[in-house]
Amino acid sequence: KAGVTQTPRYLIKTRGQQVTLSCSPISGHRSVSWYQQTPGQGLQFLFEYFSETQRNKGNFPGRFSGRQFSNSRSEMNVSTLELGDSALYLCASSSFPLTDTQYFGPGTRLTVL
Amino acid sequence: TQLLEQSPQFLSIQEGENLTVYCNSSSVFSSLQWYRQEPGEGPVLLVTVVTGGEVKKLKRLTFQFGDARKDSSLHITAAQPGDTGLYLCAGGSNFGNEKLTFGTGTRLTIIP
Repeated sequence: KAGVTQTPRYLIKTRGQQVTLSCSPISGHRSVSWYQQTPGQGLQFLFEYFSETQRNKGNFPGRFSGRQFSNSRSEMNVSTLELGDSALYLCASSSFPLTDTQYFGPGTRLTVL
Repeated sequence: TQLLEQSPQFLSIQEGENLTVYCNSSSVFSSLQWYRQEPGEGPVLLVTVVTGGEVKKLKRLTFQFGDARKDSSLHITAAQPGDTGLYLCAGGSNFGNEKLTFGTGTRLTIIP
C-alpha cells in the first residue's frame, strides 16, 4: 500500500496570505487527522475528519480549518497567516478511531515571512 | 488539559550504552503509544500499550506502561546510531471524546 502523501512538501508565504495543504490517506483509511509541529510547542492536534465530518478539534483559532472529501482526501486551510504559523504540518490517517494506529505523512514545511 | 512530559528533553550517548526515556502525566490514558521521528519524515509508530503494568519488547527496545496508566518508559539496550531520532509518546483517551495527546519529545543522538 502507498503511504500517506502530503503536498506540497515545502511552502513559503508572507503574513496575511492564506494557504491550503493537501493530504491523501492510505487507501481504505477513512480517518484523517492534522497536527502542527513546532520546536517550542511540539506536536499539537488540530482536527480530525472521518467520513467528511469533523469529529474532533484541538485548541486552535478559527483561521485553521479543514475539510474531507468523499474519497477521504483532506485539505487544511490557514487564513491570514501569522509568523507563528511557521511549522511542520503533519497529516495522519487511520482506519478508525482517532486512537487507532496513526500513519503519518512526511509533512508540509510552512514558512511564513 | 492533558499534558505529557517527557524526560530527558535531549540525550546524547555513546554507541553501546543503555538509556531510558520517561513519559509522565497526571492524567489517566486508555492507551500509550511510542513513535520515532527522523528528520524530514513523519512519526512512525513503534508500539502501543493498553494495559496498566504492561511490558512490551521490540528487539532492543522495552516499553512499559505504568500501573496507573499515567506514565510510561522506553528503555533501549546497547544503543546504535540507527536509534537516533525524536522519540514521542502519545496518550490515547477514549473517555467520551477520543483524542491523542503527544508528549514533549526526547531528541536522542547516538554517537558512533
